[in-house]
Amino acid sequence: KAGVTQTPRYLIKTRGQQVTLSCSPISGHRSVSWYQQTPGQGLQFLFEYFSETQRNKGNFPGRFSGRQFSNSRSEMNVSTLELGDSALYLCASSGTVVSGANVLTFGAGSRLTVL
Amino acid sequence: AQRVTQPEKLLSVFKGAPVELKCNYSYSGSPELFWYVQYSRQRLQLLLRHISRESIKGFTADLNKGETSFHLKKPFAQEEDSAMYYCAPSNRLAFGKGNQVVVIP
Repeated sequence: KAGVTQTPRYLIKTRGQQVTLSCSPISGHRSVSWYQQTPGQGLQFLFEYFSETQRNKGNFPGRFSGRQFSNSRSEMNVSTLELGDSALYLCASSGTVVSGANVLTFGAGSRLTVL
Repeated sequence: AQRVTQPEKLLSVFKGAPVELKCNYSYSGSPELFWYVQYSRQRLQLLLRHISRESIKGFTADLNKGETSFHLKKPFAQEEDSAMYYCAPSNRLAFGKGNQVVVIP
């Protein structure tokens, strides 16, 4: 089955702009988590969605938001971009108890560069 | 809250030498822990989980409740083990900061 798909793969924005990133989970997976990956901080949790509801939220400012649709696809939005938002944004989905509810399958990521 | 700590960021080892990546956790309740690996230009992927108690690519990790540790070990490092390794709890909220492993030929 298809893996986790993230779009776009690369994007360049300028300070003050906003960006929307998309994630399509593995078919049948209802949980989607988002992470920010940087060399200095490693993987930092942004938020998790399950059945269109935000289940957990990390310690990021309100400029970072997300949502999940009825088909489990998820988007995250960053408004008023800052230079420090430059990072690789990873999406991960997880499935049922049978397939390993706590095992994350990651997408390739969206590389955001803010100039 | 479930938390994990990976104390060393960069670990360089010679090919054939043992490698150990440390992960300590603070937990309430029964922990479920994972190691994820990210090879160069590849996706982050599951390496192993403690409940499976199996060896993957020669790596093992034993949950030590007394020391609250879940260290990843391999007796003989190979060049293809060069990667970024992350320890993570089941709640997926708090990955460790990761260990960059470089295996020197």
